[in-house]
Amino acid sequence: NAGVTQTPKFQVLKTGQSMTLQCAQDMNHEYMSWYRQDPGMGLRLIHYSVGAGITDQGEVPNGYNVSRSTTEDFPLRLLSAAPSQTSVYFCASSYSPRDSFRPLHFGNGTRLTVT
Amino acid sequence: AQKVTQAQTEISVVEKEDVTLDCVYETRDTTYYLFWYKQPPSGELVFLIRRNSFDEQNEISGRYSWNFQKSTSSFNFTITASQVVDSAVYFCALSEANQAGTALIFGKGTTLSVSS
Repeated sequence: NAGVTQTPKFQVLKTGQSMTLQCAQDMNHEYMSWYRQDPGMGLRLIHYSVGAGITDQGEVPNGYNVSRSTTEDFPLRLLSAAPSQTSVYFCASSYSPRDSFRPLHFGNGTRLTVT
Repeated sequence: AQKVTQAQTEISVVEKEDVTLDCVYETRDTTYYLFWYKQPPSGELVFLIRRNSFDEQNEISGRYSWNFQKSTSSFNFTITASQVVDSAVYFCALSEANQAGTALIFGKGTTLSVSS
């Protein structure tokens, strides 16, 4: 199993550009989510999904869109990048918590810079 | 509203010292989950422990131990005989029962530096 795979690892955008951060997991996890990490702020939840076709907003959803058309993939879209979106983005997944005592699996992160 | 506070921004210790990382949380739920994650300099997030609100037993895993006290809303993490490899940012996190393990609220993290 590859676990949670995020691409790209690094990205530089200009203000106003759009892009999609990719996240894929091969563990058949129901739950997937996106976090951003900023210095001194910890990780903050952007969007999450409890299964294919279902998404919901987290703490800081503005400026981001998500969709969950398959169990495996959970892309994060920036429609018009802003410098405030410069951050490290983490995708995470987990089994249904009702089934077992299992942790959240994180990808290795995408470092995004918006100039 | 849920909140996690890690009051210690940075801690520096010398190898073999014991160190405790504090975590205080706020939630209105009666059922919730608490977590600790480690982020070494390489940047990945490593799961350390998950605790249910109805299980106040303390946990020990090697040099790591966790003290969960509902009465003070705290979930503190102690590293005994610290090592240089323990240098990392440590995050405490909280989630509601119906999202257990997915929609986490993180503290701002404590940076631990262990020198030899």
